[in-house]
Amino acid sequence: AQTVTQSQPEMSVQEAETVTLSCTYDTSESNYYLFWYKQPPSRQMILVIRQEAYKQQNATENRFSVNFQKAAKSFSLKISDSQLGDTAMYFCAFTLSSGTYKYIFGTGTRLKVLA
Amino acid sequence: EPEVTQTPSHQVTQMGQEVILRCVPISNHLYFYWYRQILGQKVEFLVSFYNNEISEKSEIFDDQFSVERPDGSNFTLKIRSTKLEDSAMYFCASSLTDSTDTQYFGPGTRLTVL
Repeated sequence: AQTVTQSQPEMSVQEAETVTLSCTYDTSESNYYLFWYKQPPSRQMILVIRQEAYKQQNATENRFSVNFQKAAKSFSLKISDSQLGDTAMYFCAFTLSSGTYKYIFGTGTRLKVLA
Repeated sequence: EPEVTQTPSHQVTQMGQEVILRCVPISNHLYFYWYRQILGQKVEFLVSFYNNEISEKSEIFDDQFSVERPDGSNFTLKIRSTKLEDSAMYFCASSLTDSTDTQYFGPGTRLTVL
């Protein structure tokens, strides 16, 4: 069975600084997708970034980038130039590329950006 | 940008009562999902729905739960006889294609069972 682990329940970062959120996962499959979702307070989860396991290149979206280490089963999210609007709960999620529709989520990391 | 919407935002019910949670997925999406998050725990998959039938369900999704797409826009989750342990945040999601496509989530319905 697949699992996703986020070992940092809470983190804080100063505005304009860089922060890295950790995520590890466990699977015996080789084809899958990984996601980071952001959930601002009282708002819905929105996709931050997505990574296909077959791609060696790390995904980037503006100030957000990932460090995908397939052998280590690690998928960390780096937020550069942190902004107050980045304050949110961040969830790491995993899904196989076939045979299932479900996402498996980690427990989340609550990030607070300090002014 | 199109969004998934859910109503109500908060539902309070008595144990044993039936509840229906409503979702409006993104209009051109074909796959629909329900997840739940008990306070302090992980977001957990309940069910996926495609072409008017359940395509996958978890062990949580027992006979007390059902899903329906009653018309071209709504997607509902019914809990027939609520239990205290059904208290959770319920998220609806939709995607254009299957699990290889990104799922877009609604804001959730907080269900409180008393």
